[in-house]
Amino acid sequence: DTGVSQDPRHKITKRGQNVTFRCDPISEHNRLYWYRQTLGQGPEFLTYFQNEAQLEKSRLLSDRFSAERPKGSFSTLEIQRTEQGDSAMYLCASSLDPHRYEQYFGPGTRLTVT
Amino acid sequence: AQTVTQSQPEMSVQEAETVTLSCTYDTSESNYYLFWYKQPPSRQMILVIRQEAYKQQNATENRFSVNFQKAAKSFSLKISDSQLGDTAMYFCAFLDPTGNQFYFGTGTSLTVIP
Repeated sequence: DTGVSQDPRHKITKRGQNVTFRCDPISEHNRLYWYRQTLGQGPEFLTYFQNEAQLEKSRLLSDRFSAERPKGSFSTLEIQRTEQGDSAMYLCASSLDPHRYEQYFGPGTRLTVT
Repeated sequence: AQTVTQSQPEMSVQEAETVTLSCTYDTSESNYYLFWYKQPPSRQMILVIRQEAYKQQNATENRFSVNFQKAAKSFSLKISDSQLGDTAMYFCAFLDPTGNQFYFGTGTSLTVIP
């Protein structure tokens, strides 16, 4: 097992475009989390899945953001009509019940909106 | 809502010396988890150490140990025999009892000087 992977690692897009990121968790991890990290800040929780169900969403997740985990394995995070304020590192983490507090993080996708 | 405060944006330590990173938090919960994560430059977050709030004994992991003061809501990290590879951003994090959401501090950038 190679750990949590994320694709792409870097994305540069123009304001107004849509972008989609992918996260592949550690296999058999049933919980998957998305975080956003801006420069000089710690990660901020966006949303989490237990298997394919999205159980919690932060108020940071505006209606331009949508996340899916269709088969309880990989997840995608889509941002529509990107804004410059969306520029950040988007981190994915996974964990396995009952040790859900042991979250393993991926390398992140760095998004730059120009 | 939970908050995590790291009041030391930057710190440095001589190789082989000991350094302590501070963290305070605010919560009304009685049972929770606390963590220190390490984020090396351009690399992914790595769990350094965790502490369960119901445990009075301070956690230790090799050169890393914590000083957990539940009443004071303080959770400091001590790194002994500092090594060059310890250079990284260190984040203190709080996990609520549901295990669903992390709250991170703003981080402390630690530089180990040879």
